[in-house]
Amino acid sequence: NAGVTQTPKFQVLKTGQSMTLQCAQDMNHNSMYWYRQDPGMGLRLIYYSASEGTTDKGEVPNGYNVSRLNKREFSLRLESAAPSQTSVYFCASSDYRTGELFFGEGSRLTVL
Amino acid sequence: AQSVTQLDSQVPVFEEAPVELRCNYSSSVSVYLFWYVQYPNQGLQLLLKYLSGSTLVKGINGFEAEFNKSQTSFHLRKPSVHISDTAEYFCAVSENSNYQLIWGAGTKLIIKP
Repeated sequence: NAGVTQTPKFQVLKTGQSMTLQCAQDMNHNSMYWYRQDPGMGLRLIYYSASEGTTDKGEVPNGYNVSRLNKREFSLRLESAAPSQTSVYFCASSDYRTGELFFGEGSRLTVL
Repeated sequence: AQSVTQLDSQVPVFEEAPVELRCNYSSSVSVYLFWYVQYPNQGLQLLLKYLSGSTLVKGINGFEAEFNKSQTSFHLRKPSVHISDTAEYFCAVSENSNYQLIWGAGTKLIIKP
């Protein structure tokens, strides 16, 4: 039972490089989310997708783009990475009946 | 919810002692309330939630929380902690049924042997 799977788990980038974080869930959830976690700041929502075919900005969307490829997959792209984007990124999906979020194990990104 | 405040960034407590992790929120409407736990180097998982009904909510691993509407609080408690409870605990609040959560900054629970 995989739940929410994120790749890669670790990545080091140079300023200006681009990359895509991949996320897939096997729980048939409609809603999916991308968060970033920084020390002392809790989780901040970057983008979310309430259903297949829709995406919306969250609290901190600048510098990111997302694609809801299908119901299972929701990717996060950094077009031109900046040191301020050094963080741990979490993908999550939610069960609309209970509101419970299910998280992936996180992707630790360092931008030099 | 406009904001969620977890007053303590760290709470040290001896093993088998009781613990309370505090969470206060600001909102003028009805809310849904959640506590999530994050073990070291892992993602977050749901500990317990309040959607409606009884204000005392029981969760996994012996934790419980009480919703106090007048004090806009949702404090997390455990009567006797174990070393395995070492983790960071996050309080989260949602004002709508879409469950767009506002997160507290987290409280690290440190268990002293």
